[in-house]
Amino acid sequence: AQTVTQSQPEMSVQEAETVTLSCTYDTSENNYYLFWYKQPPSRQMILVIRQEAYKQQNATENRFSVNFQKAAKSFSLKISDSQLGDTAMYFCAFKRYQGAQKLVFGQGTRLTINP
Amino acid sequence: DVKVTQSSRYLVKRTGEKVFLECVQDMDHENMFWYRQDPGLGLRLIYFSYDVKMKEKGDIPEGYSVSREKKERFSLILESASTNQTSMYLCASSSMLAGGPTGELFFGEGSRLTVL
Repeated sequence: AQTVTQSQPEMSVQEAETVTLSCTYDTSENNYYLFWYKQPPSRQMILVIRQEAYKQQNATENRFSVNFQKAAKSFSLKISDSQLGDTAMYFCAFKRYQGAQKLVFGQGTRLTINP
Repeated sequence: DVKVTQSSRYLVKRTGEKVFLECVQDMDHENMFWYRQDPGLGLRLIYFSYDVKMKEKGDIPEGYSVSREKKERFSLILESASTNQTSMYLCASSSMLAGGPTGELFFGEGSRLTVL
């Protein structure tokens, strides 16, 4: 079974700084998807960024980028020029390429951006 | 935009009561999911469904059941609520269409259940 581990329960940075959230996962499969989801306080969870394992290029979405290290089974999220609106819970998630459509989530990292 | 609506944001129930959590999505998605969110544990899958009247157990199905009579609606049922079921419950849906945003889940706002 796949597992996802986020080893940083909480992080806090100043506005405009860059922050990196860590995620490791365990799987025996070669093709799969990885995701970062954001859950703002009292609001619904939304997708931040997605990476397909068969793509070597790291995904980027504006200020958000990932460092995908397939051999190390590591998938970190970098937020550049952090903003107050980035304050949220962040979840890393894994999905098999084929078969069951369910996502397996990590424990989450609570990120606080301070003014 | 995809909209996933959960019927209740906050519920308070007594031990032993039967609890229904309703979820409706408006994008004709095949897949629907119920997750439970607890601090330090992340999201854990309770049940999911990939078609009407079809269901599969997730990682923590004990004490729960589900119903999917229509494609847009997926209900989570706690037959006899217990205090250890106090939690945030998240409903989500996704599409299986080829070429679609494979794997992306669309979430509801969550239902926070307190069992006294």
